[in-house]
Amino acid sequence: GENVEQHPSTLSVQEGDSAVIKCTYSDSASNYFPWYKQELGKRPQLIIDIRSNVGEKKDQRIAVTLNKTAKHFSLHITETQPEDSAVYFCAASRYNNNDMRFGAGTRLTVKP
Amino acid sequence: GAVVSQHPSRVICKSGTSVKIECRSLDFQATTMFWYRQFPKQSLMLMATSNEGSKATYEQGVEKDKFLINHASLTLSTLTVTSAHPEDSSFYICSAMTAGDGYTFGSGTRLTVV
Repeated sequence: GENVEQHPSTLSVQEGDSAVIKCTYSDSASNYFPWYKQELGKRPQLIIDIRSNVGEKKDQRIAVTLNKTAKHFSLHITETQPEDSAVYFCAASRYNNNDMRFGAGTRLTVKP
Repeated sequence: GAVVSQHPSRVICKSGTSVKIECRSLDFQATTMFWYRQFPKQSLMLMATSNEGSKATYEQGVEKDKFLINHASLTLSTLTVTSAHPEDSSFYICSAMTAGDGYTFGSGTRLTVV
């Protein structure tokens, strides 16, 4: 089955700086890579996702890059704000397949 | 977007009792729902996949007799933690696959067994 590794486990940045979180996956058949933001005690919220037919996707301050050959994908947050502080999870699956696996999570702290 | 409603949000129960958690898809039909468990400061671990009208598929290491899953309709899936013990205390969360929205999560249930 799929195995997703995520780094770093914690990340602290100054407001306005960029944050990068990296994930690797093991199943070359995985083709769907979502990123979730989870605030304490709340449900994970999808913030961006990417399919394997593209290498990069951007939505305002958030971008995701995918390297299928190396089987890794990254989340980039620019101009970070204190409200970006949360735990971020990457995940990988075959789209429309139930076998979605999550990374261990990254606790991002943005210092004002 | 698609909404999954999960209840209760918090429950405290005595050791040995059973607790039922419900997840409803409000504006779409969820043929498949996924149940996750999350320990503090840890990731979401898939427990089982429930399919409407058929038996759930459990992940390795998850006791199917302890975590009973029922998916009686296209909009409702339930997880019952039977004979709960303190080690079952955790955050349980469901999700459903939706066309266009990817996976939509319920709001989660924090179970505390005392």
